Amino acid sequence: EGQLEESGGRLVQPGRSLRLSCAASGFTFDQHAMHWVRQAPGKGLEWVSGISWNSGSIGYAEVVRGRFTISRDNAKKSLYLQMNSLRSEDTAVYYCAKVVWAYGDYVPDAFDLWGQGTMVTVSS
Amino acid sequence: EIVLTQSPGTLSLSPGERATLSCRASQSVSSSFLAWYQQRPGQAPRLLMYYASTRATGIPDRFSGGGSGTDFTLTISRLEPEDFAVYYCQLYGIPPGTFGPGTKVDIK
Repeated sequence: EGQLEESGGRLVQPGRSLRLSCAASGFTFDQHAMHWVRQAPGKGLEWVSGISWNSGSIGYAEVVRGRFTISRDNAKKSLYLQMNSLRSEDTAVYYCAKVVWAYGDYVPDAFDLWGQGTMVTVSS
Repeated sequence: EIVLTQSPGTLSLSPGERATLSCRASQSVSSSFLAWYQQRPGQAPRLLMYYASTRATGIPDRFSGGGSGTDFTLTISRLEPEDFAVYYCQLYGIPPGTFGPGTKVDIK
């Protein structure tokens, strides 16, 4: 069935940077596109970014484009999110998520496996 | 960008009752690229349905989905105690993979 485990979330000041990681196990990581989805406290879900199985296509939500960078290392079965110029409105639980189908691109799909999330708090 | 609206915002029901949740899109959704998720407090979302009516692996058959075009529904035939949660619909296959605002199903 698989497992995803996020890490790297913490309290950070506005304007600073943070890198999130997601370690995958139990499924063929290098065959699946991967995504980041966030949820602000008490709010709904928001897609942040996606990357294809081979890193060939990448996409971002408008609100993070130019500030966040998604990447993956298939040899390490890991997904990353580099977040720069953080704002208070980026405060959220960040989930990594796997798509249902193999060999997809960056476009959001149905997500059948989620990590437990890592909390990012942007505040002075 | 297609906007998803979910209704009602909160549904108060008793265990054993039937729950019907609605998700409406501002434009027609091609190929029914519509998913439903359940989120219990303090937990990550869990995929229930995709292609509007296909149950994900391990989802019990008391959950069913339907609809097409702009109107979709998630039905829980008989509520179990573990079904009291928030439910989100999601439009996928088109960036930005919009989620609806959610429907909370709570115990009456």
